[in-house]
Amino acid sequence: DAGVIQSPRHEVTEMGQEVTLRCKPISGHNSLFWYRQTMMRGLELLIYFNNNVPIDDSGMPEDRFSAKMPNASFSTLKIQPSEPRDSAVYFCASSYVYNEQFFGPGTRLTVL
Amino acid sequence: GENVEQHPSTLSVQEGDSAVIKCTYSDSASNYFPWYKQELGKRPQLIIDIRSNVGEKKDQRIAVTLNKTAKHFSLHITETQPEDSAVYFCALYNQGGKLIFGQGTELSVKP
Repeated sequence: DAGVIQSPRHEVTEMGQEVTLRCKPISGHNSLFWYRQTMMRGLELLIYFNNNVPIDDSGMPEDRFSAKMPNASFSTLKIQPSEPRDSAVYFCASSYVYNEQFFGPGTRLTVL
Repeated sequence: GENVEQHPSTLSVQEGDSAVIKCTYSDSASNYFPWYKQELGKRPQLIIDIRSNVGEKKDQRIAVTLNKTAKHFSLHITETQPEDSAVYFCALYNQGGKLIFGQGTELSVKP
């Protein structure tokens, strides 16, 4: 298995633009997590899904952030409109429930 | 609610010395306790984990101990090497399947 796949790996955009981050979890995993990591705030859980259903989105900072998981093999995290303070590394991770989480390589987002 | 406190936030040791990182938690229902290592610019990766039916687990130079009564678990690294330098995170699952991370410990091993 190729592991968790994220795209793009790097994204540079201007304030106000829409940003879409993509994730393909490991085949067979039934839980998917989106994290944001910054020096100031550390590793923050934004939202997670079990069996494609959003379970806890309390970490989503604002209505500008949204996430979907239309099927077991794909998820998106969208920011619209983006702001400079959204600049961070965004990780997607997948697992079987209550087992090891495997992280993707991350997307480094820079909002100018 | 669930909470994980991790200490220390930074740790500097000489090569060859041991390093210990401790985490305490509040949710007594937690039963899976992983430790992740994150090298600079890379993703967090699991290095060892322990379940609540075991008090200690060892893998070469790395060991984890768990005290469910006192609600704390610790990571022990012996004979540290420069390549052990990284940020280490403890974590646990809450009942809803959410993995709760500690704040992280930045370990620096000086040659």
